[in-house]
Amino acid sequence: DGGITQSPKYLFRKEGQNVTLSCEQNLNHDAMYWYRQDPGQGLRLIYYSQIVNDFQKGDIAEGYSVSREKKESFPLTVTSAQKNPTAFYLCASSGRSQGSGYTFGSGTRLTVV
Amino acid sequence: KNEVEQSPQNLTAQEGEFITINCSYSVGISALHWLQQHPGGGIVSLFMLSSGKKKHGRLIATINIQEKHSSLHITASHPRDSAVYICAVSRGVYSGGGADGLTFGKGTHLIIQP
Repeated sequence: DGGITQSPKYLFRKEGQNVTLSCEQNLNHDAMYWYRQDPGQGLRLIYYSQIVNDFQKGDIAEGYSVSREKKESFPLTVTSAQKNPTAFYLCASSGRSQGSGYTFGSGTRLTVV
Repeated sequence: KNEVEQSPQNLTAQEGEFITINCSYSVGISALHWLQQHPGGGIVSLFMLSSGKKKHGRLIATINIQEKHSSLHITASHPRDSAVYICAVSRGVYSGGGADGLTFGKGTHLIIQP
């Protein structure tokens, strides 16, 4: 079955360390997105990519970096410059055809200690 | 002011009750999405609609483009419906996500008691 795989589900890191979250999709979707979710807030867009080798900053890109070397993969690196990295991170993808909809991964909960 | 507002924020009801969750938005959209998030965190897309009404099982979603308002209804609610329901809008060219992804409401936390 097609879908999005995020790994790991839980991640613990020490303050000051960079960490990379994985997101892989086998839906042949062109667009991929990274969102952050904090308690009591709506999801906020970190980065998105509409095509391989191209990506754009979202609303809260500071302290994060991404790459899109393959259509299937859109990893997110949380750098030490991110002031408050502890959060729930969701990856999503969508197609370009009308009505293709949105598919979400199961998320990664990152805790920085 | 948030571009997508949901009400209520929290809702507790008894099994079997008819549930309504409301969503208002203040921007032009190409589509509106209703999503369901269970305690584990994963999100499932329930509906994507740009006009009228859609039904899937006990779930019904409606949208009024002129009034910029949408409702999600659950008939004959059941404890397994307990989850956070999230309204989101897409403003891009492609209703599935568009140029800049989705803009989300804060969600409605629904608890259905047996």
